Amino acid sequence: KNQVEQSPQSLIILEGKNCTLQCNYTVSPFSNLRWYKQDTGRGPVSLTIMTFSENTKSNGRYTATLDADTKQSSLHITASQLSDSASYICVVSAGGSYIPTFGRGTSLIVHP
Amino acid sequence: DADVTQTPRNRITKTGKRIMLECSQTKGHDRMYWYRQDPGLGLRLIYYSFDVKDINKGEISDGYSVSRQAQAKFSLSLESAIPNQTALYFCATSALPWTGKAYSNQPQHFGDGTRLSIL
Repeated sequence: KNQVEQSPQSLIILEGKNCTLQCNYTVSPFSNLRWYKQDTGRGPVSLTIMTFSENTKSNGRYTATLDADTKQSSLHITASQLSDSASYICVVSAGGSYIPTFGRGTSLIVHP
Repeated sequence: DADVTQTPRNRITKTGKRIMLECSQTKGHDRMYWYRQDPGLGLRLIYYSFDVKDINKGEISDGYSVSRQAQAKFSLSLESAIPNQTALYFCATSALPWTGKAYSNQPQHFGDGTRLSIL
């Protein structure tokens, strides 16, 4: 069964600090991995998309990495801001399937 | 204006009622999706459509039906609502992966959701 596990479930950091969120998956065959940010009361917004051949991708202060051998991805947030407070969702798609597997998300709270 | 608009944003109704959630988009995307989000769970795909004449079941389609009235409109119906269908529902769209020159992975663009409560 395809699964996506995210850790930690929740995280609290101080403004200006860096943090790293983890995503482990068992989706096979792997097609692509996406990170989304979901603000409270809003729909998810795409941050990055990576395929098998990509091992890092950045979007401003967000940098995603992918290790297809160990089936792990991380999302690193640099110099956090209050607006980074949100749920971050890892989504993995399998080749030949149009049904992606969503992780449960990591809830990030940034305190001033 | 939002690119993907869902109506209503909130709905409270009773068991057994028929409910329709509507989604419209101005992004010009061919692909549209309906998801359900429950607390502590990942989003789950209910139905998806790749064009006006195409309807496909997702992983949790039982109890739901959809209609793709036009390229820009995709509605979700609960024929006889039950309490365990209480959830946050999201519509999403995506462009075709083929750009005419190469394949590229396209992100999904989500609406802001409909919070549905069934008593």
